[in-house]
Amino acid sequence: DAGITQSPRHKVTETGTPVTLRCHQTENHRYMYWYRQDPGHGLRLIHYSYGVKDTDKGEVSDGYSVSRSKTEDFLLTLESATSSQTSVYFCAISGQGAQELFFGSGTQLSVL
Amino acid sequence: GQQVMQIPQYQHVQEGEDFTTYCNSSTTLSNIQWYKQRPGGHPVFLIQLVKSGEVKKQKRLTFQFGEAKKNSSLHITATQTTDVGTYFCAGPRADSWGKLQFGAGTQVVVTP
Repeated sequence: DAGITQSPRHKVTETGTPVTLRCHQTENHRYMYWYRQDPGHGLRLIHYSYGVKDTDKGEVSDGYSVSRSKTEDFLLTLESATSSQTSVYFCAISGQGAQELFFGSGTQLSVL
Repeated sequence: GQQVMQIPQYQHVQEGEDFTTYCNSSTTLSNIQWYKQRPGGHPVFLIQLVKSGEVKKQKRLTFQFGEAKKNSSLHITATQTTDVGTYFCAGPRADSWGKLQFGAGTQVVVTP
């Protein structure tokens, strides 16, 4: 498996609190992605990064922000968590952009 | 906008039988990728098809890319319990290089 680690693996939080999820890679891949997975919706792109400090929005970016200050780390922040953001969040990496993504093990986030 | 659709959403298969799942894009794709996610796991890259009409095989799995590069299929022969999981197809977004759009997936259940 590719060297990609997500933390935390599980998180329970309250509505209105900020939450940060971390993705760490050891593959030196240029591209990093945050997806959320919900029943019936498959994997939906939240944000992605194509280099250090270079990020772009995905199809469900509202309520989320990201930062990438180092090649190996990609952070996803929920500024003020809502119950609709309860989901499984996957980080993915790719060496070539939109090709052959390697996924982390996921973070189960529950917003109560 | 670009849509990637998969049918069927659910597939119940008797062990030993064959089945096919389909992926259709609203736009022409530069490539199509397939991923498998085991229950409770993360998506794992299976294969990428690039050429019009391309066919690739991985043991009992046969992947095909349509002539118009707008559809794809995955055929599994002699289904085994190890085939259980959700199969996703994905294609690069035409309007934003670097982004990969996933279908909602086909969930496969195998009955012994």
